[in-house]
Amino acid sequence: QSALTQPASVSGSPGQSITISCTGTSSDVGAYNYVSWYQHHPGKAPKLMIYDVSNRPSGVPDRFSGSKSGNTASLTISGLQAEDEADYYCSSYTSSGLMVFGGGTKLTVL
Amino acid sequence: EVQLVESGGGLVQPGGSLRLSCAASGFTFSTYWMSWVRQAPGKGLECVANIREDGSEKYYVDSVKGRLTISRDNAKNSLYLQMNSLRAEDTAVYYCVRGRTRVVYWGQGTLVTVSS
Repeated sequence: QSALTQPASVSGSPGQSITISCTGTSSDVGAYNYVSWYQHHPGKAPKLMIYDVSNRPSGVPDRFSGSKSGNTASLTISGLQAEDEADYYCSSYTSSGLMVFGGGTKLTVL
Repeated sequence: EVQLVESGGGLVQPGGSLRLSCAASGFTFSTYWMSWVRQAPGKGLECVANIREDGSEKYYVDSVKGRLTISRDNAKNSLYLQMNSLRAEDTAVYYCVRGRTRVVYWGQGTLVTVSS
């Protein structure tokens, strides 16, 4: 039940693309296609941006995309916008029956 | 409109107890897994427990096993978290959420502070 590993911070300029990695194990990310990504602005509830590795809920811009290879999942944001600045968390279903989250990545738009 | 409204948080001394409640509306509560997710100050998110639609299966993170108990009352569209033997490290905002593999709907959260 260890947290998934994410970089503490990433940054990019408006219009650029960034990728946030999320590394787990063969008991979570590697075992299930139940990886999700959440955008979190402090003081507000997290917002689901990607589910089941690469699916976008309605209303989420197609600038957001997800992928997975082995035990590592990735979130890519293309055409970076100022409003994208937030904390991003990945999560995965695990063999323990629970979701496990990553430690969070602070995205700064320069 | 889906709504999840938590209540029951507050200040409690180490070793004390609290019971969190979550009132659900806007969807058929009895057909969804439900979970409690917490966020300690300055920390990330942690799913502490979840419960099957009919309450027949429950899962807990190791750090809360034997101290926190999740339950539900489908007749009242309500989710609960009984918290006993509380520790300082249980201090967090507790969110009631719908689902077990992904979370679309979150409550507004209720703050639990464990301190003497």
